[in-house]
Amino acid sequence: DTEVTQTPKHLVMGMTNKKSLKCEQHMGHRAMYWYKQKAKKPPELMFVYSYEKLSINESVPSRFSPECPNSSLLNLHLHALQPEDSALYLCASSQQTSVLDTQYFGPGTRLTVL
Amino acid sequence: QQQVKQSPQSLIVQKGGISIINCAYENTAFDYFPWYQQFPGKGPALLIAIRPDVSEKKEGRFTISFNKSAKQFSLHIMDSQPGDSATYFCAATRYYGNNRLAFGKGNQVVVIP
Repeated sequence: DTEVTQTPKHLVMGMTNKKSLKCEQHMGHRAMYWYKQKAKKPPELMFVYSYEKLSINESVPSRFSPECPNSSLLNLHLHALQPEDSALYLCASSQQTSVLDTQYFGPGTRLTVL
Repeated sequence: QQQVKQSPQSLIVQKGGISIINCAYENTAFDYFPWYQQFPGKGPALLIAIRPDVSEKKEGRFTISFNKSAKQFSLHIMDSQPGDSATYFCAATRYYGNNRLAFGKGNQVVVIP
């Protein structure tokens, strides 16, 4: 099973709302990633967790707050977002953070900020 | 600053033809070059990858050619099929790095029957 699941599939939120994106994998992977992807653009790395600890934060604004409650779960908490934050948010996981460890991507959450 | 440049932006190929996508990089510290395939509504999936100690790698109908001196690499899709219609991203990273990928801008390939 090489599946990474993400919920919800679509999310529409206002600029004052608080919402969360959820990502789950049961492959025993110890590295998990959040990416942001705009239409017709490549994914942009936001955060990397390794063994449930945040190892990379790509200078992401504080209105995005990641959380890794356990080795299978990754959340992205959203608060006071801007319309330009509308994008596809992709979660990925890999065995560890070695380059030989293939990153398996989920289908993404399509976020629209009004 | 785009660390990996990808061309062309889009490509239309007849079924059975060859699709060729080119990428170029600047950072000589890069030494691992994966290609990702993304279908609409899905996340990217690793297709094939190469290290610069070989000039070519083939997996089925997909071949990566690598030119270290020119800092260029390309993906060839032989006998292109309509099911290959997708967006293809080249990427580059450091083999002993932390799996941080520098992606190209992507190339939309459409294979017409």
